[in-house]
Amino acid sequence: IVLTQSPGTLSLSPGERATLSCRASQSVSHNYLAWYQQKAGQTPRLLVYDTSSRVTGIPDRFSGSGSGTDFTLTISRLEPEDFAVYYCQQYGRSTTTFGPGTKVDIK
Amino acid sequence: EVELVESGGGLVQPGRSLRLSCVGSGFIFEDYAMHWVRQAPGKGLEWVSGISWNSGSIGYAESVRGRVTISRDNAKNSLYLEMNSLRGEDTALYYCVKDVKSGYDVRFYYMDGWGKGTSVTVSS
Repeated sequence: IVLTQSPGTLSLSPGERATLSCRASQSVSHNYLAWYQQKAGQTPRLLVYDTSSRVTGIPDRFSGSGSGTDFTLTISRLEPEDFAVYYCQQYGRSTTTFGPGTKVDIK
Repeated sequence: EVELVESGGGLVQPGRSLRLSCVGSGFIFEDYAMHWVRQAPGKGLEWVSGISWNSGSIGYAESVRGRVTISRDNAKNSLYLEMNSLRGEDTALYYCVKDVKSGYDVRFYYMDGWGKGTSVTVSS
């Protein structure tokens, strides 16, 4: 399964809403889709799994949604620490893939 | 707390081989599937290979299939990646990553623990 993320870069101001898209080349079974955040110089951090389940400790301004081939990560109000690159990942198969990432930067 | 420490990276000439290692601690290593994920300089994440808890299920990305071999030694809490016929496009930071499940069902899942990575540079 090939994942496509859009936009490539999202330029927003703190307090604004961010909507990140992840589209799969074929239906993702069981909606097995995760989202990771990677800040510069850091390792990726798991935010959301199973499309919409937030990892313990992740703020509720992060929410995931979608089904089939179209998935979305929404950050309701951007905080300064949210400016980073976000990757989606499909799983639940004998191989797994990541999307190319969306960079959320400060406008 | 999950800790994964990679080693074995370095500068290698095209066509040569390299073996990466990873030691895990802070969790029951033998209970989980493990992965290698790489990130080329300035690029995104690319899944390279995964192995189930008992080595019964193994998967490779198309970009490396036939050139790399993943293995593990649960007695040593260790994961390995043997890379052969290295190319410039293999230049990347290689992360050792923990799956949330064992891989018992021949499937890989999402990942909840990452090492800091070991850098591989393929250049003459």
